Amino acid sequence: QVTLRESGPALVKPTETLTLTCNLSGFSLNTSEMRVSWIRQPPGRALEWLARIDWDDHKVYNILQATRLTISKDTSKNQVVLRMTNMHPVDTGTYYCARTTANFSPYYYYMDVWGRGTTVTVSS
Amino acid sequence: SYDLIQPPSVSVSPGQTAIITCSGDRLGNKYVNWYQQKPGQSPLLVIYYDTKRPSGIPERFSGSNSEHTAALTISETQAVDEAVYYCQAWDNSNGVFGGGTKVTVL
Repeated sequence: QVTLRESGPALVKPTETLTLTCNLSGFSLNTSEMRVSWIRQPPGRALEWLARIDWDDHKVYNILQATRLTISKDTSKNQVVLRMTNMHPVDTGTYYCARTTANFSPYYYYMDVWGRGTTVTVSS
Repeated sequence: SYDLIQPPSVSVSPGQTAIITCSGDRLGNKYVNWYQQKPGQSPLLVIYYDTKRPSGIPERFSGSNSEHTAALTISETQAVDEAVYYCQAWDNSNGVFGGGTKVTVL
């Protein structure tokens, strides 16, 4: 069974750095079709895609947030980590990680399994 | 940045067809995925690659994509389909979501 589980602090102060961990189970990031994305959702608002890391360590960031984000993986631990610097109250919301599966001919990919999400509040 | 536009809400009677649209510049040249999100739950993939249904998704869910508009169609809508639906595409490898459409089954 494929599952993803997010973990991290529930509360961070403004200007602090947020570090979130996504623990993968039932699959690993060592095959070419596997990727992991991070997505967030402010309370009562729409989803926002943040970043993706591929099996070969290729990384893609939301253009609007790129300077604040770092995504990394530890294949031996089956984990993906997202760091977001200079947190602000508008960054409050639920953060999800999602397995992102690729098909190569034709080339397309989609987020097919999501974690339950972890809620982060930014407040002093 | 690339934008996907969805109507905020759609209402449908049980047993009728709900159509949710998603508009974007030359969206037909991209592949669209659709996600269902119920209150307090994580999003669930219901359509990928414009028209494909993941295993376990009922046949009443179907998708289309042409020119500037993609659509998610829910045939014979049931009360259990009441949720917010998001379209999603990739623009130069960046993920983009629509603003979401709340489907209300009256």
